[in-house]
This record gives sequence, C-alpha cells and structure tokens, in this order.
Amino acid sequence: GQSLEQPSEVTAVEGAIVQINCTYQTSGFYGLSWYQQHDGGAPTFLSYNALDGLEETGRFSSFLSRSDSYGYLLLQELQMKDSASYFCAVTSGSARQLTFGSGTQLTVLP
Amino acid sequence: DSGVTQTPKHLITATGQRVTLRCSPRSGDLSVYWYQQSLDQGLQFLIQYYNGEERAKGNILERFSAQQFPDLHSELNLSSLELGDSALYFCASSSQGGGTEAFFGQGTRLTVV
Repeated sequence: GQSLEQPSEVTAVEGAIVQINCTYQTSGFYGLSWYQQHDGGAPTFLSYNALDGLEETGRFSSFLSRSDSYGYLLLQELQMKDSASYFCAVTSGSARQLTFGSGTQLTVLP
Repeated sequence: DSGVTQTPKHLITATGQRVTLRCSPRSGDLSVYWYQQSLDQGLQFLIQYYNGEERAKGNILERFSAQQFPDLHSELNLSSLELGDSALYFCASSSQGGGTEAFFGQGTRLTVV
C-alpha cells in the first residue's frame, strides 16, 4: 500500500516563508503532487513533481527527492488567503492511483 | 469551475438507507476517482475508474459500490448507511490514468441521521 506523512499543523505570519514536508512510502512511484483545500471546498491542484528537483510556480515551489522518498511545498510571501489545508499526494502503481496524505493545516497570522 | 460536476450537493438520509452520488467528469477525461473526507480528516481513496473499467480500489466498504458508464459519468452507491458514513464525498477526474493533475468536483455532503 501507500503511506504519506506530513505535519498536521503549521503556523506562520503574513509575508513569511513556510515549508511543508512530505515523506512517502509506495511502490511503483510516478510522482508527487500538492493540493490546496479551503474549508469545505474542493481540493485544487498546485504542483506535480515527477523528477528530482525544484519546480517553481509563482509564490509556490515544490521539491522532490525520489531517492529519499521526500518532497516539500514552499510557500513564499505568505498571504492571509493562503490559510488552508495542504495535501501531498502520490501517483503510483500500474493504475496510477492518486493517494493523499492526511493534510497540513496552514494558519497565516497578520 | 473545475469542470467536474457532482450531484447532489447535500444529502440527508436516515440510517439503513441507500443513496447514489453522481459525478460527471471534465469533458475528455477518462479517469474518475472517488474520495471520502470525514470531518477534519484527509482524503480517503475509495475507488478509481478508467474508461469504464475499475482500475484501483482503496479502503472501500463492501456496502459501497461504484461504476463508470459509457458516457464516462460515474455513480457511487452507498447502502445500509451508518452514522459514521456522514462525510464529504469527492469525485475527481484526470485526462489519463492518473498523473499530473486531477480536477475535483465540489463534493456531496452526506449526513446520515
């Protein structure tokens, strides 16, 4: 099966930088992705890493190390609207199943 | 708007009943995933379909079943409902058998009373 670990909560102040880590165990790994979910809303896609290294999309960056089964999401210049839950997810197996971690609740303080 | 449509948005039903949740994927997407999200919990993978065929199964209860129809819409059937089945049920679709990006519907909030 698949298992993912990420911190349950992170708090930071507006304008700061925060990093949310994710470690995973799976077989047939294809890639690691990140999703954002505001309270009661639908998860929305942020990024996908299939290869080692850093992917940057605006204020958000995502990193993957396949050898360490580890990735992180980096959020810069935090804004109040970034307060949400962030999920890492692995794509794995012949079916390319998408399995999510338990989520990290990010609170951005003024 | 993700392009994924789920109906109904809200559902209240009694224990022991049976309900059907419906999902229409984005136009052209062949993969459909179903997830259950209980209060303050993560997204539990239930089942995945690709072009009408079941591709992967998660921790889906035997009381739950699903199918994907020729027009690619999918239905999740929940029977003999229990209080613990109260949750948000999300459907997601992607263009291939998984991978780069999945698009989520707004979810169906099921309340079992």
